[in-house]
Amino acid sequence: EAQVTQNPRYLITVTGKKLTVTCSQNMNHEYMSWYRQDPGLGLRQIYYSMNVEVTDKGDVPEGYKVSRKEKRNFPLILESPSPNQTSLYFCASSPQGGYQPQHFGDGTRLSIL
Amino acid sequence: DQQVKQNSPSLSVQEGRISILNCDYTNSMFDYFLWYKKYPAEGPTFLISISSIKDKNEDGRFTVFLNKSAKHLSLHIVPSQPGDSAVYFCAARAIGNTPLVFGKGTRLSVIA
Repeated sequence: EAQVTQNPRYLITVTGKKLTVTCSQNMNHEYMSWYRQDPGLGLRQIYYSMNVEVTDKGDVPEGYKVSRKEKRNFPLILESPSPNQTSLYFCASSPQGGYQPQHFGDGTRLSIL
Repeated sequence: DQQVKQNSPSLSVQEGRISILNCDYTNSMFDYFLWYKKYPAEGPTFLISISSIKDKNEDGRFTVFLNKSAKHLSLHIVPSQPGDSAVYFCAARAIGNTPLVFGKGTRLSVIA
């Protein structure tokens, strides 16, 4: 089954404790991206990757890091999480960037106390 | 500065009737528009898209209309079904390697 898998689905943690949210896709897609969804703000892009070893900032990259060492994986790293990063996070992928719809994972709800 | 606006946070429609969800945008460089549907505890799923060279695209019960001069697009669902109850996001992309910009979403409730 074609899918984008995020882990964990839920996490409660404390300020400053480094965490990684993993994202994996099995569709051989070149393009992957991370979004956060906040009440009243819709979905905002954090980082995206056009291909392996190619990443770029989205609209709200502050406080986040990403890496793309393999085509299928695109982890999101919070080196020193803060409460304002409490949010619902989605990973997405598409065959290529541009004019192709993205497939989304089911989301990761992060709570940072 | 909100480039993609969905001004109706929620909409209720009776089963069998037409649902019309609206979206306005401000960036004249947007040339590709999409609608996504989102159920609780799931990620958004792609519904339908339209390129700026068209003014209408239809897929079964779903039709998207684009009015470039008004910078407005709408999603029509006919007939509406209870399973259509979800949050609908409008999204747009500008020419080139640019991020997809989403609206805040409209929650559609289809009442049986």
